[in-house]
Amino acid sequence: QQQVKQSPQSLIVQKGGISIINCAYENTAFDYFPWYQQFPGKGPALLIAIRPDVSEKKEGRFTISFNKSAKQFSLHIMDSQPGDSATYFCAASLYNFNKFYFGSGTKLNVKP
Amino acid sequence: DAGITQSPRHKVTETGTPVTLRCHQTENHRYMYWYRQDPGHGLRLIHYSYGVKDTDKGEVSDGYSVSRSKTEDFLLTLESATSSQTSVYFCAISDEDRAYNTIYFGEGSWLTVV
Repeated sequence: QQQVKQSPQSLIVQKGGISIINCAYENTAFDYFPWYQQFPGKGPALLIAIRPDVSEKKEGRFTISFNKSAKQFSLHIMDSQPGDSATYFCAASLYNFNKFYFGSGTKLNVKP
Repeated sequence: DAGITQSPRHKVTETGTPVTLRCHQTENHRYMYWYRQDPGHGLRLIHYSYGVKDTDKGEVSDGYSVSRSKTEDFLLTLESATSSQTSVYFCAISDEDRAYNTIYFGEGSWLTVV
């Protein structure tokens, strides 16, 4: 049973557009939601993360929106650039538990 | 870089042979993980370790074993490789001393079982 469900599987966005990736989770005990970015041939790297005590977190062009009641969170990439083309994974974990559950990934292609 | 070295980075092996992947960290982090990445499945946890000689199974542990005899090394063994174990394997580490822990990944090991 997949703990974190991610959509879409792939996404094509024009340069300058907004990329939106969505994730949903079932376990209400999850309390840490990071997003990872992975370039071809590389390992995933932490991009941005949020805790459920806030509804939004922004870092530069990247924003996480969190809806605790719906058990959903999403990544928004504003002014998407070709350099943002990568695979993005959402994840969830438990406080101080050190076990992470990942979504299935979204391959983003930003067209110039 | 998070100070994680995986070896080998690429390997082709035959069905039925044992294979060992090595993960070495220089961060002295307590937790180490092995994930596999497959299209449509994302990252799935195989095994993890919470200390020397302390390991536990993840969601896809069948056909795999692990060992951790030193803090810095975490070995993943495919006891008898099968074609379904063709995948990209990632080692990861995290630090126990932070309430909200970040997990750091290595560069990956590409394994092909023919």
